[in-house]
Amino acid sequence: KAGVTQTPRYLIKTRGQQVTLSCSPISGHRSVSWYQQTPGQGLQFLFEYFSETQRNKGNFPGRFSGRQFSNSRSEMNVSTLELGDSALYLCASRDLNTEAFFGQGTRLTVV
Amino acid sequence: AQTVTQSQPEMSVQEAETVTLSCTYDTSESDYYLFWYKQPPSRQMILVIRQEAYKQQNATENRFSVNFQKAAKSFSLKISDSQLGDAAMYFCAYRRTDSSYKLIFGSGTRLLVRP
Repeated sequence: KAGVTQTPRYLIKTRGQQVTLSCSPISGHRSVSWYQQTPGQGLQFLFEYFSETQRNKGNFPGRFSGRQFSNSRSEMNVSTLELGDSALYLCASRDLNTEAFFGQGTRLTVV
Repeated sequence: AQTVTQSQPEMSVQEAETVTLSCTYDTSESDYYLFWYKQPPSRQMILVIRQEAYKQQNATENRFSVNFQKAAKSFSLKISDSQLGDAAMYFCAYRRTDSSYKLIFGSGTRLLVRP
């Protein structure tokens, strides 16, 4: 089985722009969750989607949003980018009977 | 709120020796899961070992084992016969047992392996 695929791997954006990151889960996995990793704040939970419904949301501003499609692929969007949004964004997928499998992340740099 | 604390920013071990990484956590839940994840330079988080809180027996996976002390809320990882490939960031993590899947991570410990 293919693993969790995140695209793009690297991204450079300008302050004020918006960005969309994509995550394709392992085939058959219906849950996708997103995490932000920064040197200062560490790994923080953003949100989780299961069967196209958001089940849980972390403590992030409304500029961070996500969605999940019927094929379980997920996207997260960050609007009005700030320098502090520079981070590694990790996606993880799981089935009901497994723990999370992570992708290799998208490195976002905001300049 | 649940918290996870790793007090060792960096540890070093000689190849073939044993090293123990420490983790403490705080929760009011009686049932939960604890994990150790490894993050090599490739950045992908890899699950090393999982412990279910209701199980008293410590989990083991080949060279990796844990010392789970529920009353003390302590969860340490022991790596035996350390290998160069074990060098990575190690994160301790917690999650509740309810249907929502949310991992709470510690700040991580960088493990260096000396040849």
